[in-house]
This record gives sequence, structure tokens and C-alpha cells, in this order.
Amino acid sequence: TQLLEQSPQFLSIQEGENLTVYCNSSSVFSSLQWYRQEPGEGPVLLVTVVTGGEVKKLKRLTFQFGDARKDSSLHITAAQPGDTGLYLCAGLTTSGTYKYIFGTGTRLKVLA
Amino acid sequence: NAGVTQTPKFRVLKTGQSMTLLCAQDMNHEYMYWYRQDPGMGLRLIHYSVGEGTTAKGEVPDGYNVSRLKKQNFLLGLESAAPSQTSVYFCASSLGNEKLFFGSGTQLSVL
Repeated sequence: TQLLEQSPQFLSIQEGENLTVYCNSSSVFSSLQWYRQEPGEGPVLLVTVVTGGEVKKLKRLTFQFGDARKDSSLHITAAQPGDTGLYLCAGLTTSGTYKYIFGTGTRLKVLA
Repeated sequence: NAGVTQTPKFRVLKTGQSMTLLCAQDMNHEYMYWYRQDPGMGLRLIHYSVGEGTTAKGEVPDGYNVSRLKKQNFLLGLESAAPSQTSVYFCASSLGNEKLFFGSGTQLSVL
């Protein structure tokens, strides 16, 4: 079983602070996606990283894919209450079919 | 645009009862997936399908069965529900190696 461990599991910070969420695995993935989930809804895609070492920015969010394509990080600069939610990483495996294996999740709360 | 629709949204079962969760997508996606979400465990893949008439096991398939008789529908069945199957169930679809589109989930409680 391929595992994706996320850390931290919970994070409560003040508005304006910076934070980093980590997604680690011992397996190599074809690509890595980050999703955000609001209460009562399904996850929504934020970004996909494909190449080892790739860095993508989405406004105040910076995503990085590890050189060996086994890990990823999400950095939020100057967090806002609207960033509150559950953040999930998902690794794509392509051994014959396309399967997405999800991480354990990081629940972020940004206090005003 | 409907996207991915799951029914029902909520359900309470007694141990041993059976039920079927329905997932429908209108995006002509080949791939469809069933996940369960439990606190602290993210989303775990139950079963998935790579096209009409095909199904495959995911990470946690025991106690569940699935069928994909039509391309747009993916059914998840619980033949004899157990309290350990209390969870939130999500269906998703995709073109393959692109993003997943999720339904809004089914909250299932097994007493």
C-alpha cells in the first residue's frame, strides 16, 4: 500500500502568519496534486505538479514537488481566514491505470 | 452544469442492512472512483472503474461491491452494513491523468 503522510495534521494560526504543509511518501508518483476541501463539500483541485523540483505559485500559495517526486510542500504566505479548510495532497500512480492516492490531510484554521 | 451528483446525501442504517449509493457524472469521463473519508485518514480509495463495464479494487475494498453498467453511473453497494463502515463517501470522476471532480458526499451512519 502506498502511503502519503501529511504534516502537521492540525494547524491553527493567526491571520498574517506564514505556514508550510508537508506531504511525504516512500513511493514515486507521476504527478502530485493539492486539493482544498470545505465542510460539506468535495475536495477541489488547487494545483498539479508534474516535474521533479517543480515550483508553482497560486497567489499566496506556493507548491513544490520534490526532486525525486516522492514528496511535496505547500507554503502559504500571510494566511487569511478564507484559507481555512482541509488541505489534501494526492499522488497519481500510473501502473496500468490512473489511481489517485490521497494523503492524511491537514486541517488549517486561520483566526482573524 | 451538474458535474458529479451523489445520492443520497445522508443515510442511517442498522447493522446488517444493505444499501446502494449512486454516483452520476455528465462529463463523459472514463474514470470513476469511490472514496471514503474518515477523520485523520484523508481519502481512501474503495473501488474504481476505468470505463463502462469495468471495476477494480482500491485500498479498502472489503465489504463493498461496485458496478458500472453505464458510463455515466457508478454504484457502490454495501451488502451487510457494519458500524466500521460509518463514514463520508465521495465519488469522483476524471479523464484519467487530469484532475478529479468530486461529488458533495454521502454521510452514512451504521448503528
